Amino acid sequence: ETGVTQTPRHLVMGMTNKKSLKCEQHLGHNAMYWYKQSAKKPLELMFVYNFKEQTENNSVPSRFSPECPNSSHLFLHLHTLQPEDSALYLCASSHGTGKTYEQYFGPGTRLTVT
Amino acid sequence: GEDVEQSLFLSVREGDSSVINCTYTDSSSTYLYWYKQEPGAGLQLLTYIFSNMDMKQDQRLTVLLNKKDKHLSLRIADTQTGDSAIYFCAESKRDSSYKLIFGSGTRLLVRP
Repeated sequence: ETGVTQTPRHLVMGMTNKKSLKCEQHLGHNAMYWYKQSAKKPLELMFVYNFKEQTENNSVPSRFSPECPNSSHLFLHLHTLQPEDSALYLCASSHGTGKTYEQYFGPGTRLTVT
Repeated sequence: GEDVEQSLFLSVREGDSSVINCTYTDSSSTYLYWYKQEPGAGLQLLTYIFSNMDMKQDQRLTVLLNKKDKHLSLRIADTQTGDSAIYFCAESKRDSSYKLIFGSGTRLLVRP
């Protein structure tokens, strides 16, 4: 138990659906991250939020829309996804950014797009 | 090519030492990390090393850094079945705000 929870753990959605992934951290951290983990590819950073402000968008398609209402919660809103978006989506948090702050990862949401 | 490269698979017998290797391309990397991912779980930071260090030891884990060859290794002594997991090497640099750049991961299988 790392103090970072993600829901749902598994999600199957059609290409026309709209769904959201949720991440919550109970560690008092100020920075939160979304990563995409695809089979046989390196972990890809998608978004970074620091003190609720987005500080990084790693050229992510607009069909992925992040939201960070406060430092403890992070959402990833999904709409009109493609089958190649099927992956494990990992959330992480850390005390801050800009130094070697340890990132604590959640267990991930396994997303399948049909 | 990839910024960080790792071999995909390693199999060892329980009680032996495991050595997982990683190469990186950017000599300005400031920190280098090893993360562990167990099935159904997120990534867990095992250890990290600053780029001006050659070696770091933490209980059963030894990290060796060869800056000249841009080679990083993780040695696990007395490998146990609970060490079976995917191990990720990652780097970060000051000039990219210390974003983590991960390798593809090495799957370690420990045989009884």
